[in-house]
Amino acid sequence: AQTVTQSQPEMSVQEAETVTLSCTYDTSESDYYLFWYKQPPSRQMILVIRQEAYKQQNATENRFSVNFQKAAKSFSLKISDSQLGDAAMYFCAYRHMEYGNKLVFGAGTILRVKS
Amino acid sequence: DAEITQSPRHKITETGRQVTLACHQTWNHNNMFWYRQDLGHGLRLIHYSYGVHDTNKGEVSDGYSVSRSNTEDLPLTLESAASSQTSVYFCASSVSGGFNEQFFGPGTRLTVL
Repeated sequence: AQTVTQSQPEMSVQEAETVTLSCTYDTSESDYYLFWYKQPPSRQMILVIRQEAYKQQNATENRFSVNFQKAAKSFSLKISDSQLGDAAMYFCAYRHMEYGNKLVFGAGTILRVKS
Repeated sequence: DAEITQSPRHKITETGRQVTLACHQTWNHNNMFWYRQDLGHGLRLIHYSYGVHDTNKGEVSDGYSVSRSNTEDLPLTLESAASSQTSVYFCASSVSGGFNEQFFGPGTRLTVL
């Protein structure tokens, strides 16, 4: 079974600085998708960014980018120019390409942004 | 606008009672999912459905059941609520196949006393 590990329960960053959240996963498959979701205090789950495993190029979405290392099974999220609104719980998630749309989530990382 | 809703948003119940959490989506998505969120565990899959009359067990399905009689709804039933089922429950939906995002409802906080 696939597992997703987020080794940082909590992180802090100064406003306008850059922070990287770590995620590793375990799978024997070669084709899959990876996601980062954000959960602010409102509890709403919001998709931040996604990556297809067969694509070499790292995904970017404005201030958010990933460092996808397929051989190392690592999928870290970099947030540049951190803003107060980035404070949230961040979840890394894995989905196998063919076995339906089920997501396997990591335990989450709480990100605090200091002004 | 299409959306996914859950009701109730908060519920307190007693051990042994049957509880049903509602999930309704207007995206016309085939796939629907129920997750529970607990500190230290992230979100864990309870049950999921890929279409009408299709239901499947997830990682933590014991004590829960679902039924899918139409595209829009996937109610989650706790047959006999236990304190271990105190959690936040999320419903989600997506289209089938491809590189598709799951859209989540706002969550239901359930407390079992």
